Amino acid sequence: AQSVTQLDSHVSVSEGTPVLLRCNYSSSYSPSLFWYVQHPNKGLQLLLKYTSAATLVKGINGFEAEFKKSETSFHLTKPSAHMSDAAEYFCVVSERDGGSQGNLIFGKGTKLSVKP
Amino acid sequence: DTAVSQTPKYLVTQMGNDKSIKCEQNLGHDTMYWYKQDSKKFLKIMFSYNNKELIINETVPNRFSPKSPDKAHLNLHINSLELGDSAVYFCASSQGLPGLHYGYTFGSGTRLTVV
Repeated sequence: AQSVTQLDSHVSVSEGTPVLLRCNYSSSYSPSLFWYVQHPNKGLQLLLKYTSAATLVKGINGFEAEFKKSETSFHLTKPSAHMSDAAEYFCVVSERDGGSQGNLIFGKGTKLSVKP
Repeated sequence: DTAVSQTPKYLVTQMGNDKSIKCEQNLGHDTMYWYKQDSKKFLKIMFSYNNKELIINETVPNRFSPKSPDKAHLNLHINSLELGDSAVYFCASSQGLPGLHYGYTFGSGTRLTVV
């Protein structure tokens, strides 16, 4: 069975400083991995996805994530935080059991706060 | 031009009532989903339909009944609402079968409050 663990429930940074949101996964197969963002009272927006191509994935709004198989990690980073980045971030793994059906497994989310 | 639209956005109702949430996608996707987000922000899949056929049915009370009249619509009907049903319900869609390399497109959610 696949699972995803977001190591921090809350991360607080100052505007202009780097952002690091940590995610570890477990998977029996080559996973597909995603990061979604949810702003207050809004729906989920796809930030980026990894699907076995380049291990460094660039997403929207300056975010990127690196797939590290040896560490089973898919941490989300951004060089410089902006106030508008304050939101909840979800790491997601695609579940595949070797067959044609699958599921998205969501982490419990990391709330990012950005201080002026 | 909304890709995945859910109605209503907010729903406040009394215990014991029956209510429906509607979802429509105009992306031409084959698969649609219902997710429940609890008070701790954790999302859990409830149902998935591919071309109007049920393919994922997680452990959900049978008071919840999804209906897909066509592949662009997936509605969720809930009978005899309970306090514990209060949550945000997200509809989503994807191209192809679940989890196959594609990110899902989510609706903006329906906040259900049962009083």
